[in-house]
Amino acid sequence: DQQVKQNSPSLSVQEGRISILNCDYTNSMFDYFLWYKKYPAEGPTFLISISSIKDKNEDGRFTVFLNKSAKHLSLHIVPSQPGDSAVYFCAASERGSRLTFGEGTQLTVNP
Amino acid sequence: DAGITQSPRHKVTETGTPVTLRCHQTENHRYMYWYRQDPGHGLRLIHYSYGVKDTDKGEVSDGYSVSRSKTEDFLLTLESATSSQTSVYFCAISEPGLNQPQHFGDGTRLSIL
Repeated sequence: DQQVKQNSPSLSVQEGRISILNCDYTNSMFDYFLWYKKYPAEGPTFLISISSIKDKNEDGRFTVFLNKSAKHLSLHIVPSQPGDSAVYFCAASERGSRLTFGEGTQLTVNP
Repeated sequence: DAGITQSPRHKVTETGTPVTLRCHQTENHRYMYWYRQDPGHGLRLIHYSYGVKDTDKGEVSDGYSVSRSKTEDFLLTLESATSSQTSVYFCAISEPGLNQPQHFGDGTRLSIL
């Protein structure tokens, strides 16, 4: 039972435009959500997170939106840069317990 | 970068041999984790530790064991490696408490022939 799903294996965007990566979850007890970025041959790097008491969190070009009623979160990257090309994983946890990860989305930003 | 070192970075071995992967951290974080990454599955938790000699199973623990005798080291052992354990293995660390992100090492690519 996949509790965290990223339905798009890949996404291609032009440099300067917005990238929107999506993630759905089924466990209504999840209360903390994270996004990680992963380059080839490196470990995942923590990018941004959001607690379930918020619906938006911003950090520079990165914004995460949480829609609890739809059990959906999204990561917006504006403007997208070629260096943003990587695999993005969303993850969720319940009351500080173990993380559950989605399958990942490969983002390609074209110059 | 979080001070996490995984060794070896690459290993090729044969079915049936024992394999031990090491994770070493210099951050003095209490919590440590082992994941495997496979296409179509994201990262799946194998085992985790909330302190020295305090370990527990994750969602894909069959065929794996762990040990943590010091805060800084977390070992993952495949007692008798199988081809299905060919994967990329990541170690992660975190502080205890709510809403603490995990920080990852650069992984070990393990091939079992």
